[in-house]
Amino acid sequence: EVQLVESGGGLAQPGGSLRLSCAASGFTFSTYEMNWVRQAPGKGLEWVSYMSSTGNTIHYADSVKGRFTISRDNAKNSLYLQMNSLRVEDTAVYYCARTRAFVPFEYWGQGTLVTVSS
Amino acid sequence: DIQMTQSPSTLSASVGDRVTITCRASQSISIGLAWYQQKPGKAPNLLIYKASSLESGVPSRFSGSGSGTEFTLTISSLQPDDFATYYCQQYNSYSWTFGQGTKVEIK
Repeated sequence: EVQLVESGGGLAQPGGSLRLSCAASGFTFSTYEMNWVRQAPGKGLEWVSYMSSTGNTIHYADSVKGRFTISRDNAKNSLYLQMNSLRVEDTAVYYCARTRAFVPFEYWGQGTLVTVSS
Repeated sequence: DIQMTQSPSTLSASVGDRVTITCRASQSISIGLAWYQQKPGKAPNLLIYKASSLESGVPSRFSGSGSGTEFTLTISSLQPDDFATYYCQQYNSYSWTFGQGTKVEIK
């Protein structure tokens, strides 16, 4: 069974940092592209970042470019999101999501809540 | 970035109704479109990909159509489990973008 489990969320101050993790199991992690998607409270979905299976290709939404860094450790079956220079508007539930051919977000984790507030 | 506009934003319907949700792209996205269902407090669930391909395990009452800039999600006979929010999403080009969502409510 495919499982994606996010962790690392919590409260951060504006300008602060957090590192999210996504632990994958039930599939060969190293062969799948992965993403982060977020959802502000009561709002819609926003794609945040993409990383290819090897890590060679990365994309970011303009709203996080230069502040967030996606990475992965295929040996540990884990995806990460380093979030720096956090803003109040980064407050959201962050989901990791698996991509397969022609399918952007096939499986989703349960999400982890990030709250940015002073 | 490609803008995705869904209509309506809210839809009131009864069990057994045929329901259609429209999604328009600000420029052509070919068939690079997916539909998701989301219930409160839960992660989204993939329904349709490549505009009209039904994801494995999704009931056949869900169907998708369209190409280019105009797309529809149809629920042929609304069931109690279908009351939720639905999102379209384009993946023809980065940045991938979602529609604002359509909430399907009980009439």
